[in-house]
Amino acid sequence: GENVEQHPSTLSVQEGDSAVIKCTYSDSASNYFPWYKQELGKRPQLIIDIRSNVGEKKDQRIAVTLNKTAKHFSLHITETQPEDSAVYFCAASSFYGQNFVFGPGTRLSVLP
Amino acid sequence: DVKVTQSSRYLVKRTGEKVFLECVQDMDHENMFWYRQDPGLGLRLIYFSYDVKMKEKGDIPEGYSVSREKKERFSLILESASTNQTSMYLCASRGGEGKDLDIQYFGAGTRLSVL
Repeated sequence: GENVEQHPSTLSVQEGDSAVIKCTYSDSASNYFPWYKQELGKRPQLIIDIRSNVGEKKDQRIAVTLNKTAKHFSLHITETQPEDSAVYFCAASSFYGQNFVFGPGTRLSVLP
Repeated sequence: DVKVTQSSRYLVKRTGEKVFLECVQDMDHENMFWYRQDPGLGLRLIYFSYDVKMKEKGDIPEGYSVSREKKERFSLILESASTNQTSMYLCASRGGEGKDLDIQYFGAGTRLSVL
């Protein structure tokens, strides 16, 4: 089955700096890669996703890149702000979510 | 706005008790999921359901069962609770249209403590 690894497990950055979180997956059939943000005490919420037919997607300060050949994808957050502090989960999914597998999460701390 | 509601935010149960965790979604989604969340382990899939009365085992189904008698409701059952089932349990649903088809929407979670 699918296996998703995520690095680093914790990440501290200064406010205004960029943060990058990387994930790798094992199943070449995976074609949908979402990123979820979970603030303390709250539910995970989708922040950005990418499908296998594109290599990059951007939404304001957040971008995701995908390398299908190498089976890895990354989340990039620019100009980080204290409210970006949260746990971020990547996931990989093949047809219709039958293999929706999450990474272990990255705890991002943005220091003022 | 999709709403996924879990009946309890916090539960405290004793070892050996039968425990029911309830989840309701209001968007007529076909797919519903139960995860448990533990520090350093991320979200692990316990069971999912793709239709009424249909269920599939996830990665860690041992010690759990599920019930989906109605489309909007997906219940997680701990037949005989054990201390190693102390965790945060998250319900999710999925089944929008078009590009929203793949998005999972989560409930607020139930923090279960088994003493």
